[in-house]
Amino acid sequence: GQQLNQSPQSMFIQEGEDVSMNCTSSSIFNTWLWYKQEPGEGPVLLIALYKAGELTSNGRLTAQFGITRKDSFLNISASIPSDVGIYFCAGQRGNTGKLIFGQGTTLQVKP
Amino acid sequence: KAGVTQTPRYLIKTRGQQVTLSCSPISGHRSVSWYQQTPGQGLQFLFEYFSETQRNKGNFPGRFSGRQFSNSRSEMNVSTLELGDSALYLCASRPGGSSPDTQYFGPGTRLTVL
Repeated sequence: GQQLNQSPQSMFIQEGEDVSMNCTSSSIFNTWLWYKQEPGEGPVLLIALYKAGELTSNGRLTAQFGITRKDSFLNISASIPSDVGIYFCAGQRGNTGKLIFGQGTTLQVKP
Repeated sequence: KAGVTQTPRYLIKTRGQQVTLSCSPISGHRSVSWYQQTPGQGLQFLFEYFSETQRNKGNFPGRFSGRQFSNSRSEMNVSTLELGDSALYLCASRPGGSSPDTQYFGPGTRLTVL
């Protein structure tokens, strides 16, 4: 099935470092979403972006909807151990319930 | 508000059997979508139901089906199970109004096919 190109695939960083990950697509989306998933749980919504160029923050997390509508990035500042998990981007076209997901970025944080 | 709930959380079946998974959306949400998550394919969209009607369908065989009830609760059914159907099945709900909105996921049902 179709997937978005998400990078990096994994990151192992030191506590306190900043993290950046991004997602690209060959086609446009109307909505970009970022989720975090921990073992044994479903994805939890972090940030939703509805407008090209939009920059939105949620605590230490900042995400942007690319101006071309074909990409998005997520930054995490001053990482802490509880940031560990798999981060997924997802794109949505129109007002459908169908999300296209990236492959995920696995984040590990060393205390 | 209570989140999306899914039952059962874990299920073990054998090849050839069928299985039914259940999802209760967030109160007030009318749209329910189902996803399959596997290590190889990642998160793949199965289908979406809104007001008891299937509104979107992913690229899965006809063995995968679903339905939605008048209270927005949804079930998905997989018939003639195959080993490759082993996966985490996730349900997500959203209000489903005219404006773009976001989906909230349940904890998933882990299906193992032996």
